[in-house]
Amino acid sequence: GAVVSQHPSWVICKSGTSVKIECRSLDFQATTMFWYRQFPKQSLMLMATSNEGSKATYEQGVEKDKFLINHASLTLSTLTVTSAHPEDSSFYICSARGTSGEGETQYFGPGTRLLVL
Amino acid sequence: AQRVTQPEKLLSVFKGAPVELKCNYSYSGSPELFWYVQYSRQRLQLLLRHISRESIKGFTADLNKGETSFHLKKPFAQEEDSAMYYCARANAGNNRKLIWGLGTSLAVNP
Repeated sequence: GAVVSQHPSWVICKSGTSVKIECRSLDFQATTMFWYRQFPKQSLMLMATSNEGSKATYEQGVEKDKFLINHASLTLSTLTVTSAHPEDSSFYICSARGTSGEGETQYFGPGTRLLVL
Repeated sequence: AQRVTQPEKLLSVFKGAPVELKCNYSYSGSPELFWYVQYSRQRLQLLLRHISRESIKGFTADLNKGETSFHLKKPFAQEEDSAMYYCARANAGNNRKLIWGLGTSLAVNP
């Protein structure tokens, strides 16, 4: 089946540093990947849609200069949290759009927990 | 705006009891609806989609266009069904992003 990996699975960093999170589709090509943020016991909040070879589409209220997204290949998208602050601490999840026998679906990564001190 | 509503934040049932997790959507053309499940400490995974009309782990969901609902049902809940359940619909746009409900936490008690 379709597998999506994320790296790292967790990261602790100092305030002001930048953190890069990778999202990879391991056994399929994904022209579109999605980046979400999830707060404890809450639903997913879509941050942006990442398209291979073009600029990401950000949701309203998400700062594109703060959360840099690069989708350089059909199997890799990266999210960089620039100049991270404690309020950026969260669980970041990516998903990749692929095709199963039933049609298109989103396959999710395991998530990356970010703690900014 | 397209919306997905899950009115229950928490649902608690006893093992063997029927369970129904509610999901309503705002009407807009022909919706494509999904149920995703997130077990404790695991990633989100697709449970079922309305176009396949299949039963997964004993769960079924029928699209009711008249009531704009896509409720998830299981006749006899099991303890291993305890998880967070999210209803979602695919956006009609090119990116087909998912519009998510807030989720319902299902607790199946022994």
